[in-house]
Amino acid sequence: QSVLTQPPSASGTPGQRVTISCSGSNSNIGRNTVNWYQQFPGTAPKLLIYGNDQRPSGVPDRFSGSKSGTSASLAISGLQSEDEADYYCAAWDDSLKEVFGGGTKLTVL
Amino acid sequence: QVQLQQSGPGLVKPSQTLSLTCAISGDSVSSKSAAWNWIRQSPSRGLEWLGRTYYRSKWSNDYAVSVKSRIIVTPDTSKNQFSMQLSSVTPEDTAVYYCARQQLGGCDYWGQGTLVTVSS
Repeated sequence: QSVLTQPPSASGTPGQRVTISCSGSNSNIGRNTVNWYQQFPGTAPKLLIYGNDQRPSGVPDRFSGSKSGTSASLAISGLQSEDEADYYCAAWDDSLKEVFGGGTKLTVL
Repeated sequence: QVQLQQSGPGLVKPSQTLSLTCAISGDSVSSKSAAWNWIRQSPSRGLEWLGRTYYRSKWSNDYAVSVKSRIIVTPDTSKNQFSMQLSSVTPEDTAVYYCARQQLGGCDYWGQGTLVTVSS
């Protein structure tokens, strides 16, 4: 079981706004920042959000991150077919070091 | 543009040591703003961070609790690369292994991935 908990799946129709949650604890999300990654089959993960809500250069502003207490969320607005991918949250844990969520498979209907 | 090029065997026998190298271009392994990570991914374990090396005023390492007794991550400043050795491997260590640069908290550049199978 992953230290960070994500729903295994999420879905939406083109143009919709979808959110993916990531639940942790005081030893990880509660004390440290959260990163989000996007991964397509057969490729390496890509950094989507760092520092809870910061977008690396080149990431569309349709993607946004937030954190509250021991939970974090990734929001995708104006959903597009090319957003269909796996999404992972990650955070530093004071005991376990870097930990990942189990991943959420996003389907664009 | 930062590029990470992984090399190493795709097949390792049980009980042996898995060794992978990540060659860096476009940045320096000695950068004081980056950390150099190894991460693996398997269907059973998902994404799993293994360890990292980084230089500030001296070289430091962090390792995942799950592999701490078996892993060593080392920098090679002469070749601008870093390596990972994972000893006493079992079939549970079968995974795609990635190297990645960490900056500003997140891993922003990744290697191409190496599928390592542990089998006799």
